[in-house]
Amino acid sequence: GNSVTQMEGPVTLSEEAFLTINCTYTATGYPSLFWYVQYPGEGLQLLLKATKADDKGSNKGFEATYRKETTSFHLEKGSVQVSDSAVYFCALTNQGGSEKLVFGKGTKLTVNP
Amino acid sequence: DARVTQTPRHKVTEMGQEVTMRCQPILGHNTVFWYRQTMMQGLELLAYFRNRAPLDDSGMPKDRFSAEMPDATLATLKIQPSEPRDSAVYFCASGLRWQGGSEAFFGQGTRLTVV
Repeated sequence: GNSVTQMEGPVTLSEEAFLTINCTYTATGYPSLFWYVQYPGEGLQLLLKATKADDKGSNKGFEATYRKETTSFHLEKGSVQVSDSAVYFCALTNQGGSEKLVFGKGTKLTVNP
Repeated sequence: DARVTQTPRHKVTEMGQEVTMRCQPILGHNTVFWYRQTMMQGLELLAYFRNRAPLDDSGMPKDRFSAEMPDATLATLKIQPSEPRDSAVYFCASGLRWQGGSEAFFGQGTRLTVV
């Protein structure tokens, strides 16, 4: 079945540091890939997405590239801010298949001033 | 500002009691998901609906959980009887014509505590 594996947290960085959160997936067919963000006490919000190989999703300075050869969708940001502190979830859905959204376990990011 | 609305936001109940959580999806969305979030298991898909019909509820304990969509504006998740291990945050999400690239919009969740 489909699954997502992302790096365990927590991740603690200083402001303006470079961020990478690794995500790899297992899926049949041609999945669409997503990163969601969850701020404390809130539901999940879509951060970015990519629907085919080599697509790059980007939003709010975050980027992730759909790499079919390595089945990966790593999240990156060049300079994090305190306001980026949150839990980040990698997810996939299979186009044309069951279309369930399958999530990784989440990575908690804390950015210190 | 369209959003998914979940009620109640918090619920504390005693073991054995029935719990009903409600979700109002975004108007026009035809797909509704129910997720449970715990520290140990992360986000688990319990059930999802397309055009009010259940497509998959394999993640839901059938003996005590039930999910329905009485109409297009309301989804419900019931637990009867509730147990302490059901304590979690339950999220509802809705989407439109889930075609692999569409966004799922999440509600703020219902934090359930069973004592």
